This record gives sequence, C-alpha cells and structure tokens, in this order.
Amino acid sequence: DGGITQSPKYLFRKEGQNVTLSCEQNLNHDAMYWYRQDPGQGLRLIYYSQIVNDFQKGDIAEGYSVSREKKESFPLTVTSAQKNPTAFYLCASSMARASETQYFGPGTRLLVL
Amino acid sequence: DQQVKQNSPSLSVQEGRISILNCDYTNSMFDYFLWYKKYPAEGPTFLISISSIKDKNEDGRFTVFLNKSAKHLSLHIVPSQPGDSAVYFCAASRGYGQNFVFGPGTRLSVLP
Repeated sequence: DGGITQSPKYLFRKEGQNVTLSCEQNLNHDAMYWYRQDPGQGLRLIYYSQIVNDFQKGDIAEGYSVSREKKESFPLTVTSAQKNPTAFYLCASSMARASETQYFGPGTRLLVL
Repeated sequence: DQQVKQNSPSLSVQEGRISILNCDYTNSMFDYFLWYKKYPAEGPTFLISISSIKDKNEDGRFTVFLNKSAKHLSLHIVPSQPGDSAVYFCAASRGYGQNFVFGPGTRLSVLP
C-alpha cells in the first residue's frame, strides 16, 4: 500500500533542543517537500528536494535543516535556532518537481515545553 | 503579504445545496491553480486543478472557475454532501517546475 508516512504524530521539544521529524515515502517519487502550517495561514514551504543528495530552501528555511540521502526519506530537523517552532508540519512528495499532484503525509504536530 | 487569499475562514451549507469557495490572488504571473481538501489530523489531498488557458474545469461534483482578469477562482461543489465537510486550500504557481503558494484555507461545513 503506497503512501507517505510521518512520525511521530506529536512531538515535544524542550528549549534549546534539536528535534527531527521523519518522512518516508514508498511511491518512488523524486521530489519531496516540507511545509509548515500555522493557524489561519496557508502551508508555507520550508525545504524541498528534487533528487537524492540535493535540496533547496523554501520560503521559511531559517532554523531548519534537511537531508536527502535516500530517495524514500526526507527528514526535517528543527534546530534550536527556530524560535517559534510550534506548528503542524506536513511532508509531501510528487513524481517530479513540476508535477501538479503532491501527495501529503498525515503531519506531525510539534509543541514546545 | 499573502499572495493567495481565501477571505472566508468558514462556510456552512445545507446538504444538497451548492457550496462555493472563493480564492483571490495578487500575482499576475500565477498560471496554474490547485484545490486541496483536508480532513482533521490528515494531510491535504488533491481535488482539482486548472491552468490559465482554461476558465473552467469539471470533475464530477466539483467545478473550478478561473477569472484571470479579476485574479479570482472559485470551487463549486454540487450537490454538497456531509462528507465534503473539510478545510479547502487553494494553491497557485507560476508554472512548470515552480513551487506552489497556498491560501489559508476555508472550513466548509455541510449540514444534514
């Protein structure tokens, strides 16, 4: 059964701590994306990757880092430099960057303790 | 400054009636538009798209209309069903290979 999985569903971060959100897809998609959603706002692009070992900053990359060592995986690290990390994080993938259809995972809600 | 706006945060419609969700954009370079539907605790799912060479695209109960001169698009759902209750996002891009800009979403409630 193909799809995108994100884990964990809820994540708690302490002050000054880095946390990593997992995103895995078995759709054989080349492109993957990370979005952040805040109340009353649309999805904002954090990072995207068109191919393994390559990724680009989106609109709000500061305080975040990513890696793309495998086609299936695109983990997002929320670093201590991100001063307002509380949000709902969505991972997506598409066949190619130009593809109209992005398939989204169920999301991870990050809360700061 | 929001380039894609959905000015109605919420909308309630009676079952069987038409739902009309609106989206406005400010960037005249946008030429490809999508609608996504999102249920609570799930990721958005693609619903329907339209490119700027068309002014209408239909898929079953869902029709999207594009008015380029007004920089406005709308999603019509006819007839509305309780299962359509969700948050609907409009997204726009400047074309092939460009990232999408999402609106803030409109929460649709279809009342039985």
